Amino acid sequence: EAQVTQNPRYLITVTGKKLTVTCSQNMNHEYMSWYRQDPGLGLRQIYYSMNVEVTDKGDVPEGYKVSRKEKRNFPLILESPSPNQTSLYFCASSFQGQGYSGYTFGSGTRLTVV
Amino acid sequence: SQQGEEDPQALSIQEGENATMNCSYKTSINNLQWYRQNSGRGLVHLILIRSNEREKHSGRLRVTLDTSKKSSSLLITASRAADTASYFCATDHIQGAQKLVFGQGTRLTINP
Repeated sequence: EAQVTQNPRYLITVTGKKLTVTCSQNMNHEYMSWYRQDPGLGLRQIYYSMNVEVTDKGDVPEGYKVSRKEKRNFPLILESPSPNQTSLYFCASSFQGQGYSGYTFGSGTRLTVV
Repeated sequence: SQQGEEDPQALSIQEGENATMNCSYKTSINNLQWYRQNSGRGLVHLILIRSNEREKHSGRLRVTLDTSKKSSSLLITASRAADTASYFCATDHIQGAQKLVFGQGTRLTINP
């Protein structure tokens, strides 16, 4: 089944403890992106990647890192999480160019930083 | 902000009725998309309409796009309880970058 897989689904952590949220897609998509969703603020893009080793900042990149060493994986790294990073996170992927038909989203990771 | 704005913010109708949601945006687009989100879950792509298209259908969904008014509407016909969800429009503004900008969404409730 074509899908974007995020792990974990739920995570509670403490301030300052480094964590990684994984994202993997099995559709050979070039483009991958991370969003966070907060009440009243909607979905905001954190980082995106247009292909392997090509990443760029979205609208709210502060406090996050990403890497794209392989086409299928796009992990989101919080080096020193803070309570204001408590949010619902989504990974998404899509084809580029002629094959583009919208994003496929993962099921989400609900992160709580205490 | 380029962010789209959905209207209404919330909509409650009876099963079998039609539901119409609207989206407005500010700058020119390559395409506009609609997504559905069931409570706290991932977004599901419903339909994409390109800037040179005016109307598109997919099953019970009908999307229109008016680039002169910078607006789009999503019509769901013969609504079902399973259509209860939040609906988001997303606009793609930058050629080649595929950076989607999402609106705040319309919360649709279908009453049995």
